[in-house]
Amino acid sequence: DIQMTQSPASLSASLGETISIECRTSEDIYSNLAWYQQKSGKSPQLLIYAANRLQDGVPSRFSGSGSGTQYSLKISGMQPEDEGDYFCLQGSKFPLTFGSGTKLEIK
Amino acid sequence: EVQLVETGGGLVQPGRSLKLSCVASGFTFNNYWMAWTRQAPGKGLEWVASITNSGGSTYYPDSVKGRFTISRDNVQNTLYLQMNSLRSEDTATYYCTRQWQLHVMDAWGQGASVTVSS
Repeated sequence: DIQMTQSPASLSASLGETISIECRTSEDIYSNLAWYQQKSGKSPQLLIYAANRLQDGVPSRFSGSGSGTQYSLKISGMQPEDEGDYFCLQGSKFPLTFGSGTKLEIK
Repeated sequence: EVQLVETGGGLVQPGRSLKLSCVASGFTFNNYWMAWTRQAPGKGLEWVASITNSGGSTYYPDSVKGRFTISRDNVQNTLYLQMNSLRSEDTATYYCTRQWQLHVMDAWGQGASVTVSS
């Protein structure tokens, strides 16, 4: 199975701050990686797919990058509505595996 | 508007069975793979099962293989998850998702809560 190492586990950011979340995979996943946001009490929502493609309707302050075994999600200018949990998901091969999550809070 | 509505959750004793349903609307159901993903209370996400658009192939992680069965009815636009031999560690909210690439779950239901306890 492909192991996912997501960091940090938690993050506190000020409004307007730029933050990054990382996912490292145990083998090359050829950019088959997505990022999801989950707000408290809600279902997850797709933010980024194919490592760097922005899902329709997602604000442009979200961006993804990476290749091979290292990927990151960046939020350029933290907003109050960005508070929540963030997860990465690899879809290179079965079983699909999620990162352990990052809890993002406003400082 | 794409909608996925799960039903069938509840409290069940260890070793018993439960079947979840997910009714899809707002898109051509038989054009898409579908999946189930779960989240234990206070925990992260875990992929549970995927099914091809025709229903001809299914995929599971080892944690549920042999106990859970994903299926679909492309006439009724409904996805199912039959869960047998349930264990306490299966306690979670189960989400129905549309899956257009393996890593791309672009629509999620509101979730169905399953509690396995005596």
